[in-house]
Amino acid sequence: DIVMTQSPDSLAVSLGERATINCKSSQNVLYNSDNKNYLAWYQQKPGQPPKLLIYWASTRESGVPDRFSGSGSGTDFTLTISSLQAEDVATYYCQQYYSVPLTFGGGTKVEIK
Amino acid sequence: EVQLLESGGGSVQPGGSLRLSCAASGFIFSNYGMSWVRQAPGKGLEWVSGITDSGGTKNYADSVKGRFTISRDNAKKTLHLQMSSLRGEDTAVYFCVKGLGNGWANWFDAWGQGTLVTVSS
Repeated sequence: DIVMTQSPDSLAVSLGERATINCKSSQNVLYNSDNKNYLAWYQQKPGQPPKLLIYWASTRESGVPDRFSGSGSGTDFTLTISSLQAEDVATYYCQQYYSVPLTFGGGTKVEIK
Repeated sequence: EVQLLESGGGSVQPGGSLRLSCAASGFIFSNYGMSWVRQAPGKGLEWVSGITDSGGTKNYADSVKGRFTISRDNAKKTLHLQMSSLRGEDTAVYFCVKGLGNGWANWFDAWGQGTLVTVSS
């Protein structure tokens, strides 16, 4: 199984500042035949289901603000919120879809400093 | 608008069974893989099981293999999860999710609100 490890577990960022969340996979999730990273990011606010933010490691889902961006390749990935807004307070999860079982990271809780 | 409405959750004793259902609308159900993802109280997300668009391929997490069975009825636009031999560690909110991607290699672009399953004596 591919283990997804997120860091940090939580972080507090001032409004308007950058938030950076890391996700490391125990195996490569870059599929050589299509040169795509099988990695997605989700946002979950309290009491709500998760919401898709990014897939293929860096493709933003329709309607997601452009302050959210994804980067990385192979085993190391980053979700960046370029200018934190109050509505971004949430827990963020990465997920690999390279192989079954599909696996999620443990989550990173983002709060306002 | 895509809608996924789960039902069938509730309280059950250890060793018991439950059948979850998910009614889908707003998209061509038979064109998409579907999965169940669960979240134990205060914990992270765990993929439980997935099924391809035709129902031809089914996959399970090791934690539920042999105890849970996923199925779908494309004519009724419904996804099911038959859960048996339930354990305390199966206590969670179960989300029905719509997959995008190739076959079983899915990310999830739509989530239901979830249904709570509580396993306790």
